[in-house]
Amino acid sequence: QVHLEQSEHQLQTPGASVRLSCKASGYIFSEFAIAWVRQAPGQGLEWMGWIKLDNQRTFYRPKFQGRVSMTADTSTSVVFLDLTRLTSDDTALYYCARRGKKEGLFYGMDVWGQGTMVTVSS
Amino acid sequence: DIQMTQSPSTLAASVGDRVTITCRASQNINDWLAWYQQKPGKAPKILIYRASILESGIPSRFSGRRSGTEFTLTINGLQSDDFGTYYCQQVGSTFGQGTRVEIK
Repeated sequence: QVHLEQSEHQLQTPGASVRLSCKASGYIFSEFAIAWVRQAPGQGLEWMGWIKLDNQRTFYRPKFQGRVSMTADTSTSVVFLDLTRLTSDDTALYYCARRGKKEGLFYGMDVWGQGTMVTVSS
Repeated sequence: DIQMTQSPSTLAASVGDRVTITCRASQNINDWLAWYQQKPGKAPKILIYRASILESGIPSRFSGRRSGTEFTLTINGLQSDDFGTYYCQQVGSTFGQGTRVEIK
């Protein structure tokens, strides 16, 4: 069945960078897009951006521009999120989610990974 | 960013009640709105897309409407399993702040 498996939780120091991964299975990888959403402890959902997997075009939320990069390895069906210059405000649970399609149009996030906790602390 | 303003932030209701959550977009987003339910410790689950279309497998007590830039999610006949936090999202972009639904 359709599944997104995310990488292990990470502890990082302020100023460092982090790379998270999201491995897709159970569907044709290149036909969809993957979004990244994060959730700080006790807070709401925050959309970060997404990558369209047929052409690897990316769309980032302006607040993350210059600090975020989303890439994909189509040979292994893995999407990566790189986030640089970490601060304590980046401490959050990071989800990858598939942008589902209906009638050829993206309509919402229909499959989610289990989340990767990133803790930024000195 | 288009802002998505969701209300109320919290509500408590009894089993069987009708519950309505509102989400207002700061600009016209047509019907490109989805609703999600998130339970504690779990990833969100999509309930409704294109403002009013029920996702497959979601109970029919959930419904969505659009009026201009105002969107509503209604639960007709709240069930004990409906506790959690509900979020609206402009598709491919910003989320509302969330509405926590508690069962009295």
